[in-house]
Amino acid sequence: KAGVTQTPRYLIKTRGQQVTLSCSPISGHRSVSWYQQTPGQGLQFLFEYFSETQRNKGNFPGRFSGRQFSNSRSEMNVSTLELGDSALYLCATCAGLAGGGEQFFGPGTRLTVL
Amino acid sequence: QQQVKQSPQSLIVQKGGISIINCAYENTAFDYFPWYQQFPGKGPALLIAIRPDVSEKKEGRFTISFNKSAKQFSLHIMDSQPGDSATYFCAAKYVGNEKLTFGTGTRLTIIP
Repeated sequence: KAGVTQTPRYLIKTRGQQVTLSCSPISGHRSVSWYQQTPGQGLQFLFEYFSETQRNKGNFPGRFSGRQFSNSRSEMNVSTLELGDSALYLCATCAGLAGGGEQFFGPGTRLTVL
Repeated sequence: QQQVKQSPQSLIVQKGGISIINCAYENTAFDYFPWYQQFPGKGPALLIAIRPDVSEKKEGRFTISFNKSAKQFSLHIMDSQPGDSATYFCAAKYVGNEKLTFGTGTRLTIIP
């Protein structure tokens, strides 16, 4: 079974720009969660999507948004980038049934904002 | 509000020794406690997980000990090897919610 894939792996943007990151889950996984990882704040939950609906949301500003497609692939978007948005963005997927499944992470997208 | 506290921040263990990482949680609704291992440039990989109805779970050299009354759980790595050198994260979540709340991580270094 193929693992979680994330594209692109690396991105460099400038302040004020926007960015879209993509996550393809393991086959059969319908839940996709996004996390931001930084040295200072650690791993922080952004949001979770299940069957194209946002099911849970973390404490991030509205500049961070996401969506999920009918094939369970998910994208997250960050608008009006700030220097502090530089981070490793990770997605994690699981079956999503009754919150009891193991979550598997992708390799992440390293975003650098200049 | 940090709901999962992890210690130590860094740990150096000799090859063949036992590595122990501790976590404490506050939210009694948590009912699933995984441990993740992360190598530089990689995403976290699930190592082992436990639910509060058992006090210990062992998989190979990795063991989770769970103390529900103290709201603490720990990871023990037996016969630690240089290949175990990585950052380890404990996490927690509760039923019906896929959000993982992570500890701050422990950088483990195994020296020969």
